[in-house]
Amino acid sequence: EVQLVESGGGLVQPGGSLRLSCAASGFSVSDNYMSWVRQAPGKGLEWVSLIYAGGTTYYADSVKGRFAVSRDNSKNTLYLQMSSLRVEDTAVYYCARDKASAGPGMLGAYAFYYMDVWGTGTSVTVSS
Amino acid sequence: DIQMTQSPSSLSASVGDRVIFTCRASQSITNYLNWYQQKPGKAPKLLIYAASILHSGVPSRFSGGGSGTDFTLTISSLQPEDFATYYCQQSFNTFASFGQGTKLEIK
Repeated sequence: EVQLVESGGGLVQPGGSLRLSCAASGFSVSDNYMSWVRQAPGKGLEWVSLIYAGGTTYYADSVKGRFAVSRDNSKNTLYLQMSSLRVEDTAVYYCARDKASAGPGMLGAYAFYYMDVWGTGTSVTVSS
Repeated sequence: DIQMTQSPSSLSASVGDRVIFTCRASQSITNYLNWYQQKPGKAPKLLIYAASILHSGVPSRFSGGGSGTDFTLTISSLQPEDFATYYCQQSFNTFASFGQGTKLEIK
């Protein structure tokens, strides 16, 4: 079964650090694009970061320079190292697989990406 | 950055109704538009990708349309399990972005 399970969330003080883990089963994280998405309490979804299969990483401006995404291929696990945490980083953090498929009709030659597998989320609270 | 705007922010409807959600991008994203459904306390679930392709296992009462900057998600006949929040998301560029969501409530 294809599955993602996050862990590592908790309560941390402003300025602190935390590392989130996302364990995959049923597929290889190293062969896929993988994203982190967060959701602040009562708010919508916010994309946080992306790692390509080749290892290139991208970040939202709100976390750039503070968060770092990585993976351990031997453990088939994705990580999000979060540092210099702020109150506004409080959220449920989800990892997701970014899958690509061919587009419809005349767009069949193009790859369209979408997040088809999501973890259950791990909660991060930044508070003093 | 590409901004995604959904309307309305909330919608009340009854079982059996046809409902349409709207999503607008701040620039053309051709067909790089996905729709997700999220229920309280749960992770989002993919419904539609590439604007109009139904994800595997999603009921056929869901359909998507549009291209460029304007997109729609239609539920042809609401079922009780459809009451949730719906998000659009652009995958036109590397920096994905979501709309603010439309909450579908029972009338």
